Amino acid sequence: QITLKESGPTLVKPTQTLTLTCTFSGFSLSTSGVGVGWIRQPPGKALEWLALIYWDDDKNYSPSLKNRLTITKDTSKDQVVLTMTNMDPVDTATYYCAHSEDAGFGEFPDYWGQGTLVTVSS
Amino acid sequence: DIVMTQTPLSLPVTPGEPASISCRSSQSLLDSDNGNIYVDWYLQKPGQSPQLLIYTLSYRASGVPDRFSGSGSASDFTLKISRVEAEDVGFYYCMQSMEFPYSFGQGTKLEIK
Repeated sequence: QITLKESGPTLVKPTQTLTLTCTFSGFSLSTSGVGVGWIRQPPGKALEWLALIYWDDDKNYSPSLKNRLTITKDTSKDQVVLTMTNMDPVDTATYYCAHSEDAGFGEFPDYWGQGTLVTVSS
Repeated sequence: DIVMTQTPLSLPVTPGEPASISCRSSQSLLDSDNGNIYVDWYLQKPGQSPQLLIYTLSYRASGVPDRFSGSGSASDFTLKISRVEAEDVGFYYCMQSMEFPYSFGQGTKLEIK
């Protein structure tokens, strides 16, 4: 059974750096074809894809946020960490992590965490 | 970046009636090497995380009722619900997984009349 859970601060101040951790179980991020990504959703708005890291440490970022994002993995701990620098109130959102895997029919987020709401305010 | 455009944004439906949501991409999502069309559909029920309904145009995810179906062409896609049930309320999103950055539609709110 694949599960993911996000953790991190619920409140950050403008200009601070946000660090979110995704702790997962039921799969290994050292298995070929497996990835873990981050998606966010501002209150009342649509989903926005942020970043993805693969089993081989290949990474992809949203171009609009690439300068502010870093995604890393710790396979021994079954965790993926997302850092976002220079936080702004517009970054207030629920942040989700999700599992993806290339099974020959595409690669897409199939299992999602419950999400964590991050508010940016002074 | 590929832009995904959904219509309608709001969809009131009577239980037992069919429903249809359209999604259009700004670029083709067809992989000419294998014929796959990389569009996926998600449902976000109130207060919940998105759940995968359909992947790669028309494949139903595990556990998804067969009243949900996906179809379309290289840049024009449709999610159909043959008979809407009360539990189907929420926001529906299309997403392209053809290339990075992945991108979502604006969402369609399905509500029960």
